[in-house]
Amino acid sequence: DAGVIQSPRHEVTEMGQEVTLRCKPISGHDYLFWYRQTMMRGLELLIYFNNNVPIDDSGMPEDRFSAKMPNASFSTLKIQPSEPRDSAVYFCASRRTTGTSGNEQFFGPGTRLTVL
Amino acid sequence: KQEVTQIPAALSVPEGENLVLNCSFTDSAIYNLQWFRQDPGKGLTSLLLIQSSQREQTSGRLNASLDKSSGRSTLYIAASQPGDSATYLCAVNGGNQFYFGTGTSLTVIP
Repeated sequence: DAGVIQSPRHEVTEMGQEVTLRCKPISGHDYLFWYRQTMMRGLELLIYFNNNVPIDDSGMPEDRFSAKMPNASFSTLKIQPSEPRDSAVYFCASRRTTGTSGNEQFFGPGTRLTVL
Repeated sequence: KQEVTQIPAALSVPEGENLVLNCSFTDSAIYNLQWFRQDPGKGLTSLLLIQSSQREQTSGRLNASLDKSSGRSTLYIAASQPGDSATYLCAVNGGNQFYFGTGTSLTVIP
């Protein structure tokens, strides 16, 4: 398996622009998580899905952030409009509830977002 | 809400030394605990997963222990190598969510 795939790996945009981050979870995994990592706050959970349904979005900082999971193999995190304080590394992770991995969570390589 | 603390925040040791990284959590009702490694500018790599019913897990030079009642986990690294230099994060699974500590930055000096 290729692991969790994220795109783009790097994104530089100007304040006010829309940003869309993409994630492909590991095949067969039923949970998908979006995290944000900054030096100040560490790793923060933004939202997670179970079987494509958003379960908890309490970590989404503002209405400017939205996430979707239209099918089991694809999810997006959108920021509109983007602001400089959104600059961070955004990680996607997935896991399977049962099986030999035993709820182990697997992370993608992350998208480094810079908003100028 | 679960709070996860990792001490120390940074650690520097000479090559070959054995070391222990600490992770503490406030709510003992956990499903499992996972240790990760993060290299600069990279994603998180899973090292070990300990289920709530287990006391320890081993992988090569790494050994992770879990004491749920006291809310503690340790990651023991034997015979440290410069390649072990990275940030180590622990994550506590309180159900569906993982709660992360802020990590310990480890530097192994050749």
